Amino acid sequence: EDQVTQSPEALRLQEGESSSLNCSYTVSGLRGLFWYRQDPGKGPEFLFTLYSAGEEKEKERLKATLTKKESFLHITAPKPEDSATYLCAVQANAGNNRKLIWGLGTSLAVNP
Amino acid sequence: DTEVTQTPKHLVMGMTNKKSLKCEQHMGHRAMYWYKQKAKKPPELMFVYSYEKLSINESVPSRFSPECPNSSLLNLHLHALQPEDSALYLCASSLQGQGVLNTEAFFGQGTRLTVV
Repeated sequence: EDQVTQSPEALRLQEGESSSLNCSYTVSGLRGLFWYRQDPGKGPEFLFTLYSAGEEKEKERLKATLTKKESFLHITAPKPEDSATYLCAVQANAGNNRKLIWGLGTSLAVNP
Repeated sequence: DTEVTQTPKHLVMGMTNKKSLKCEQHMGHRAMYWYKQKAKKPPELMFVYSYEKLSINESVPSRFSPECPNSSLLNLHLHALQPEDSALYLCASSLQGQGVLNTEAFFGQGTRLTVV
């Protein structure tokens, strides 16, 4: 069964303390892996798409990497405004609608 | 313009009411989506419209009725809802439509729906 697991469930960091969020997946053929950021009561904001193992993408303090089994979202020197829930989702090649399979998210709090 | 605009932002309705949620985008996207999101859960896909035609209905109860009047607008008509339908309803759009879901989607800010 296709599945996405994110860890940790929650993470509290001090401002400037770098860390990584994990997204492990099992899927019958990966079409794409997606990272979104979501603030409370708001819609998800698209961050990155990764398509193949070894691919990396960066945006400001965020860097996403992908292997055949997992993706990491590295946060370098985070600031309080990086506090949010980070959602990972995968899209499989199999199936007629190729809908997104979502993880439960990592809630990140960055203290000043 | 990279926005998906949803109205209203908040809605309280009784179980016998009829109301509609509205969504608008002007990015030329041809796929539009309705999602439902409960607290501390990821978004749950409800409907997908591709080139103004309903392409996916994730077995959503008939008390939710989607409509896509044109390529920029998406509505969700609500009737006889239950308290458990209370949630954040999200609209999204993406560039590609028919056949393949391009999930580099832009989401609206959502409508917080409370059914009393």
